[in-house]
Amino acid sequence: DAGVTQSPTHLIKTRGQQVTLRCSPKSGHDTVSWYQQALGQGPQFIFQYYEEEERQRGNFPDRFSGHQFPNYSSELNVNALLLGDSALYLCASSVVETQYFGPGTRLLVL
Amino acid sequence: SQQGEEDPQALSIQEGENATMNCSYKTSINNLQWYRQNSGRGLVHLILIRSNEREKHSGRLRVTLDTSKKSSSLLITASRAADTASYFCALNNDMRFGAGTRLTVKP
Repeated sequence: DAGVTQSPTHLIKTRGQQVTLRCSPKSGHDTVSWYQQALGQGPQFIFQYYEEEERQRGNFPDRFSGHQFPNYSSELNVNALLLGDSALYLCASSVVETQYFGPGTRLLVL
Repeated sequence: SQQGEEDPQALSIQEGENATMNCSYKTSINNLQWYRQNSGRGLVHLILIRSNEREKHSGRLRVTLDTSKKSSSLLITASRAADTASYFCALNNDMRFGAGTRLTVKP
């Protein structure tokens, strides 16, 4: 049983560009959450998707948007990239209580 | 929603020693979970403790919960170099994380 997978593993973009990150949840998991983790800090909750709808959202601007597909996979889109968006982006899937995290996508904005 | 606050921020011990880290919170909870993160990787779930439980064990891990003090502790016994990681607590399935405790175990 594959765990949570994320693509790409690393990404370099320039300011102002747009980026799409992808996440495939663990088999049987219907809820996907996204996190941003800056160096040396804890993961910050961006939003959570369930049944293709955004169920919860953290304190992130509208430049951060997402989508969940019928197969429960998910995308995170970030528009108008800023230098401060450089971080590790983590995806986690769950059914009830425990979240299972993917390895993350490291985004560098130059 | 609320997040737990882990302390200490950093902890450095020798292999074989025990490591204790704490998580404090402000309002009542239904459950509390501990996660580990190795450098630059995803988080790994360690243990979940519910509000009606006082202590749980998993291998070398022991978690306690004191709802009267609104705090939890994670004890790692007989630590190993591979335990070097950041440790986070999360409350009520509400995935807000604090800054974590950075544990370094020296061989």
